[in-house]
Amino acid sequence: QVQLQESGPGLVKPSETLSLTCSVSGGSMYSYYWNWIRQPAGRGLEWIGRIDTSGSTNYSPSLKSRVTMSMDTSKKQFSLNLNSMTAADTAVYYCARDISGRYYGWFDPWGQGILVTVSS
Amino acid sequence: QSALTQPASVSGSPGQSITISCTGTSSDVGAYNHVSWYQQHPGKAPKLIIFDLSNRPSGVSNRFSASKSGNTASLTISGLQAEDEADYYCNSYTTSSTLVFGGGTKLTVL
Repeated sequence: QVQLQESGPGLVKPSETLSLTCSVSGGSMYSYYWNWIRQPAGRGLEWIGRIDTSGSTNYSPSLKSRVTMSMDTSKKQFSLNLNSMTAADTAVYYCARDISGRYYGWFDPWGQGILVTVSS
Repeated sequence: QSALTQPASVSGSPGQSITISCTGTSSDVGAYNHVSWYQQHPGKAPKLIIFDLSNRPSGVSNRFSASKSGNTASLTISGLQAEDEADYYCNSYTTSSTLVFGGGTKLTVL
């Protein structure tokens, strides 16, 4: 079955840019939308945005000015860049596939998550 | 867009039923039936348990059901079991073609 795995730095300095990659195995990337979601410790889930295999994106209004997502279907990977990081961006970052065939938010599966801490 | 409103916590005894509400606006929950629900155990990634308002993925117990009235969606868990103790999140598609989660509800099985 499809599996997702996040990778990237666990520690980012304030004002720097976070770069994360999600690797997809066990299935095709086509016909799905691919998402990033984050969760600060002890708090709720926050949708960051999505990308499809053509590279079309849609971002959360609250993060839109700082987010860029990209797609590399040849490597079966998609990526998240979040600039101007602050302590408020410290969270577990998840990647997830949307199985709705559109972008209705039916996330399955999820990656295991990667903890990103913003600290100098 | 603001997070959907869920109660911070609910509790119930084994065998009982509980309901978790998820209140949004006419721009999200009230606009479409594209509401999903997730179960998250501590230290684990969320798991999809309801999609498109009331549909269960294969393998999810039929003790989980969901519905909507106006701008409020609801998740009901019947025949509570100890393994149901977890955090639950709703999620809705919005009229801006974005997605928004609820703040989450901690379910305690007494």
